[in-house]
Amino acid sequence: DTEVTQTPKHLVMGMTNKKSLKCEQHMGHRAMYWYKQKAKKPPELMFVYSYEKLSINESVPSRFSPECPNSSLLNLHLHALQPEDSALYLCASSPQGAGTYSNQPQHFGDGTRLSIL
Amino acid sequence: ILNVEQSPQSLHVQEGDSTNFTCSFPSSNFYALHWYRWETAKSPEALFVMTLNGDEKKKGRISATLNTKEGYSYLYIKGSQPEDSATYLCAPHYGGATNKLIFGTGTLLAVQP
Repeated sequence: DTEVTQTPKHLVMGMTNKKSLKCEQHMGHRAMYWYKQKAKKPPELMFVYSYEKLSINESVPSRFSPECPNSSLLNLHLHALQPEDSALYLCASSPQGAGTYSNQPQHFGDGTRLSIL
Repeated sequence: ILNVEQSPQSLHVQEGDSTNFTCSFPSSNFYALHWYRWETAKSPEALFVMTLNGDEKKKGRISATLNTKEGYSYLYIKGSQPEDSATYLCAPHYGGATNKLIFGTGTLLAVQP
């Protein structure tokens, strides 16, 4: 069983809906990540939180809004998404602050499969 | 744009065969090389993180080597088993303005019993 829990596992939403993806870890990790993975493509980084502060935003459109309420939780708020945003969204965490300790592996959740109608 | 290449794209082997894959990456501003194993419908699982030129790591029947000067890493699986079937992703971590993992497209391994 993965130690990073993502909910929901599947989400279908219309382009006008507002929904949120949730990610939770209780390993005491201080860096958390959102990745987007399209079919047959590698995961691409979207956001990084380090010590609960947004440290990297990979020029993601504002219709994706990340939030880190505390060190265990990471949310991704979705609003007015486009069909091309349909993808697998992966959350990951790593022990220390992002970047500085790049020799530490990331722990991934199972992902949320998002479909935009 | 940093380009991380993995070869082959896919591989079909028989149970008991040994196999290896390649990950090629730009070596400038490189910090560490990550290998992940990703089974269908599961989460990517970290196999190794290597930082030094000449590093070799081993986990059971799986091992990996790293050449940071020429920018490549090999992953070896000895005596493949059906449960080894998965996509194997490499991801170098770069510093500076990049400061993130760049994932390769992966090698899909299918082990036939």
